[in-house]
Amino acid sequence: AQSVTQLDSHVSVSEGTPVLLRCNYSSSYSPSLFWYVQHPNKGLQLLLKYTSAATLVKGINGFEAEFKKSETSFHLTKPSAHMSDAAEYFCVVSDLGGSYIPTFGRGTSLIVHP
Amino acid sequence: EPEVTQTPSHQVTQMGQEVILRCVPISNHLYFYWYRQILGQKVEFLVSFYNNEISEKSEIFDDQFSVERPDGSNFTLKIRSTKLEDSAMYFCASSELGGRTDTQYFGPGTRLTVL
Repeated sequence: AQSVTQLDSHVSVSEGTPVLLRCNYSSSYSPSLFWYVQHPNKGLQLLLKYTSAATLVKGINGFEAEFKKSETSFHLTKPSAHMSDAAEYFCVVSDLGGSYIPTFGRGTSLIVHP
Repeated sequence: EPEVTQTPSHQVTQMGQEVILRCVPISNHLYFYWYRQILGQKVEFLVSFYNNEISEKSEIFDDQFSVERPDGSNFTLKIRSTKLEDSAMYFCASSELGGRTDTQYFGPGTRLTVL
């Protein structure tokens, strides 16, 4: 069985400061992990994904995430927030447990203050 | 860049009515999906579709739901007799290869409101 926990429903940062969005997962098999972003009235857009290659994954718009098996975490980071980063972020896990149906986290709303 | 489109963006209907939500996946993709997100809750998988057949479905996807690819471009989700609890945002997605590592591309969603 697989599950995802996004520890924060809201994260508030100032423009130019670092961003950390936390995600912990549970998976019986080698998981694939994804971060998606959703801007208002837009579809979910893939930021980055981990599929058992390099544990540090770089994505679009300066985001990156590190897969830490020992901590069962896949936190999303960005060194410097931009106003355009304000959006909803979803962590998603998919494993080999009989199907590829992905499981979504509840989402974290990132608020960026000027 | 190609994208998944969905129509309508917002659908209001009366309880017991049938609704059809439409999606146009990315043209060279072979796998299609529907998800829903009830307000304040997680995005939930409904169904996947490949080669004109349902590949997998969740327990949410009961006999009230059906999917169809009526032509080479559209992918539809039909709810036969809507209930209040069907009110949600419905997302369509498509992927090229399927499988756990493949990227799914999502549409902007259709907000369904059942009165």
